[in-house]
Amino acid sequence: EIVLTQSPGNLSLPPGERATLSCRASQSVNNNYLAWYQQKPGQAPRLLINGASYRANGLPDRFSGSGSGTDFTLTISRLEPEDFAVYYCQQYGSSPLTFGGGTKVEIK
Amino acid sequence: QLLESGGGLVQPGGSLRLSCVASGFSFSDYTMSWVRQAPGEGLEWVSGIGGGGPATYYADSVKGRFTISRDNSKNTLYLQMNSLRVEDTAIYYCAKKGVGMADSWGYFDPWGQGTLVTVSS
Repeated sequence: EIVLTQSPGNLSLPPGERATLSCRASQSVNNNYLAWYQQKPGQAPRLLINGASYRANGLPDRFSGSGSGTDFTLTISRLEPEDFAVYYCQQYGSSPLTFGGGTKVEIK
Repeated sequence: QLLESGGGLVQPGGSLRLSCVASGFSFSDYTMSWVRQAPGEGLEWVSGIGGGGPATYYADSVKGRFTISRDNSKNTLYLQMNSLRVEDTAIYYCAKKGVGMADSWGYFDPWGQGTLVTVSS
C-alpha cells in the first residue's frame, strides 16, 4: 500500500499570498496518477487536479499541480477567501487507492 | 448527480444498507466507489465496483462485513453493511470514477453529499 504524507498539516496565510502544499508518496506513483481535492466544512470533497497536473473543468488557473514519482505539489498562486479549506491528495496508480492526511489552509 | 441515503444510528452488531442514486451520466459505464470519513478525520476508500459489476474491492477494515452492489437498471449503487462496529462511524460518500484510466480504480469525480452512519449503543 502506498502511504501519502502531506505537509504541512496546517498552513496559516493571509489572502493574496501563495500557498504551496506537498504530498510525498512512500513509493513511486504509477503514471503520476495523483489527484488533489478541496473540502470545505460540511461539504463533500471536490476534485481539483488529476494526473498530477490537469485542472478539473472550471477550476481557476490560480490552482496548479506539479510533480512526479514520489513528490507532488499543489500551488495556489494567490489565495482567495474561498480557498481556505482542507486539501487532500490521492494516488490511483495502484490498489488500494490511498489518501494523504490532509493540509488545512487557514486565514492568517 | 449522486444522492446517498440510508444512513442513521445503529447499535454495534447491527446492519444498514446505503443507497446512491446517480443521474446525469451513463451509470453502467462507470466504476463506482464508497469513501468514508470518520468525524474530524481523513478519507478512506472503503469499496469499489466495476461498471459491469464483477470486479469489486474491499478495504481490509470492512472485508467480510460489507458488500457492494449495483443495479444498473435503477442507476443505483448500494453498500450493505453488516456486523457494524463503533469504528465504522463516519460519513459515507458515493463517488464516480473519473474519466479514462482503464487500468486503475481511478480518482473520484463527482462525490455525493454523503450520508452519516453512527454506530453506538
